[in-house]
Amino acid sequence: ILNVEQSPQSLHVQEGDSTNFTCSFPSSNFYALHWYRWETAKSPEALFVMTLNGDEKKKGRISATLNTKEGYSYLYIKGSQPEDSATYLCALPYNQGGKLIFGQGTELSVKP
Amino acid sequence: DTGVSQDPRHKITKRGQNVTFRCDPISEHNRLYWYRQTLGQGPEFLTYFQNEAQLEKSRLLSDRFSAERPKGSFSTLEIQRTEQGDSAMYLCASSSELGQYFGPGTRLTVT
Repeated sequence: ILNVEQSPQSLHVQEGDSTNFTCSFPSSNFYALHWYRWETAKSPEALFVMTLNGDEKKKGRISATLNTKEGYSYLYIKGSQPEDSATYLCALPYNQGGKLIFGQGTELSVKP
Repeated sequence: DTGVSQDPRHKITKRGQNVTFRCDPISEHNRLYWYRQTLGQGPEFLTYFQNEAQLEKSRLLSDRFSAERPKGSFSTLEIQRTEQGDSAMYLCASSSELGQYFGPGTRLTVT
């Protein structure tokens, strides 16, 4: 069973704060890790696909790291803005190219 | 818009009624997935298609659920005799080698 855990479940920050979330997963049979951002009434949007241990990816103020040996990934948001308010999901494919197993998500709320 | 689309976006139905949702994937994507998301949980896999063939179904997919992808393009998900526990967001995704691309979902409320 592939168990994906995210923490925290929810986070409330002020505009300008930097924040980070964690995604934990079993380190065996790793293929890839996906981060998605899901805003209310919109489609989940792919942020990053990470495949290699030590990967670091960046998109604007958002960055992510991956440690496959210890089974975790961090997502960082620098200088949070209200438009960053969304649910952030991590997901791993059950097998190569297959169905995704999601964590519970981290709901981020950024107050102006 | 060339993304994944879903119809309807919202559906309110009475318990016991049948409902059908539609998903139009990105045209060149062969794989199509259905997921269900309930409050406080991440999306959970329901079923997937490779072209028109349904290759896997989750145990979450009871006999009241059926999915089709008749010509390997759009897909439908039907729920018969809906129950209150079926209330959820139903997400569709299509995939390429780069990953899965999601539609906006259909929110089902069973009263």
